[in-house]
Amino acid sequence: GAVVSQHPSWVICKSGTSVKIECRSLDFQATTMFWYRQFPKQSLMLMATSNEGSKATYEQGVEKDKFLINHASLTLSTLTVTSAHPEDSSFYICSASRGGSYGYTFGSGTRLTVV
Amino acid sequence: DAKTTQPNSMESNEEEPVHLPCNHSTISGTDYIHWYRQLPSQGPEYVIHGLTSNVNNRMASLAIAEDRKSSTLILHRATLRDAAVYYCILTPLNTPLVFGKGTRLSVIA
Repeated sequence: GAVVSQHPSWVICKSGTSVKIECRSLDFQATTMFWYRQFPKQSLMLMATSNEGSKATYEQGVEKDKFLINHASLTLSTLTVTSAHPEDSSFYICSASRGGSYGYTFGSGTRLTVV
Repeated sequence: DAKTTQPNSMESNEEEPVHLPCNHSTISGTDYIHWYRQLPSQGPEYVIHGLTSNVNNRMASLAIAEDRKSSTLILHRATLRDAAVYYCILTPLNTPLVFGKGTRLSVIA
């Protein structure tokens, strides 16, 4: 159990366009979802925390107008990278929590390349 | 967030036990000790977590020092598939995981 599906697994987009990444908890309801990004040879950096039905909480230095997060249901959160630029190219990973003493389940990640 | 200290890298022979250390001298009473691992180009995978008592599951064991200032992740028989970056993270439950640099484990056949 506790599977998180992330889609797409990779995407290439042109500079200036927007890209949406989906994160779904398949077999549990996720009270909270988290979004991370990871640059090559670096660790994961927390971008934001989203709770179903409320606004996301962004980490310092993360532009909320550029990285739009929507957590419309207990099984789906989306991250939209707006007006993408080459420096936004990264590995984006979502994570979901069932709450309580359960661990966190991560998606398989989305590799975004902006050309 | 309470800080953890892990070796940058470790090496193990296949089918031998591996002990991955983590120091966390500033741990607070509500901090759980979480271990996750990440294979190349994949999202992190949950390994184990605990609060005060040692924990065992099908993947690994977690040995927690009595003063909780350090812990050790034990892989009982390393396989090539265990080669990954292992992260030791302190956080209360239901708060975001903040990743450090972790320990890169290499497994030699």
